[in-house]
Amino acid sequence: QKEVEQDPGPLSVPEGAIVSLNCTYSNSAFQYFMWYRQYSRKGPELLMYTYSSGNKEDGRFTAQVDKSSKYISLFIRDSQPSDSATYLCAMSAGGSYIPTFGRGTSLIVHP
Amino acid sequence: DGGITQSPKYLFRKEGQNVTLSCEQNLNHDAMYWYRQDPGQGLRLIYYSQIVNDFQKGDIAEGYSVSREKKESFPLTVTSAQKNPTAFYLCASSKTGGSYEQYFGPGTRLTVT
Repeated sequence: QKEVEQDPGPLSVPEGAIVSLNCTYSNSAFQYFMWYRQYSRKGPELLMYTYSSGNKEDGRFTAQVDKSSKYISLFIRDSQPSDSATYLCAMSAGGSYIPTFGRGTSLIVHP
Repeated sequence: DGGITQSPKYLFRKEGQNVTLSCEQNLNHDAMYWYRQDPGQGLRLIYYSQIVNDFQKGDIAEGYSVSREKKESFPLTVTSAQKNPTAFYLCASSKTGGSYEQYFGPGTRLTVT
């Protein structure tokens, strides 16, 4: 079992839909959670960074962490075609500066 | 603007040649990293450095070498010993001391024929 599991997709949704992207993990020491967006042939861009459990909102994006279930989510409201990209989750344990990345979920938002 | 630059964006080499990929950051970050990304395989860590003049091997260091002579720079050399060097290479940096998020450069696509 991989430390971080992420469905590769693709996930195809119509414009305006609410998108839910998810990762599960097995290491209970993970405390720091990140979501990155990566457009084709570009470097990943940090979208959200959260510590421990709870929700964090930034514009149309909401990151949610449920440490009891070892499950994190990224919600995108009012999705746009420009949101079409691969979304990577990443997580770190305290004291480790090497995050563990998921393989990414490909999202397609069609007009 | 602060950020990470990687050059060149595309690089072509013949088999048997060493090639060096450049990575520079002006974020004043202590730590720098090199990843390799292949389709369907996610990010794999090649080397990382948390301080000048010190670096550690990642999961797939064989066939690669690095140096960290300056805080801002972390070049990666892909040697002829790397069996399958064609890939997308990403450089990242991060602060240390309680901050865990990494920031990435735009990447270099290396093609070896």
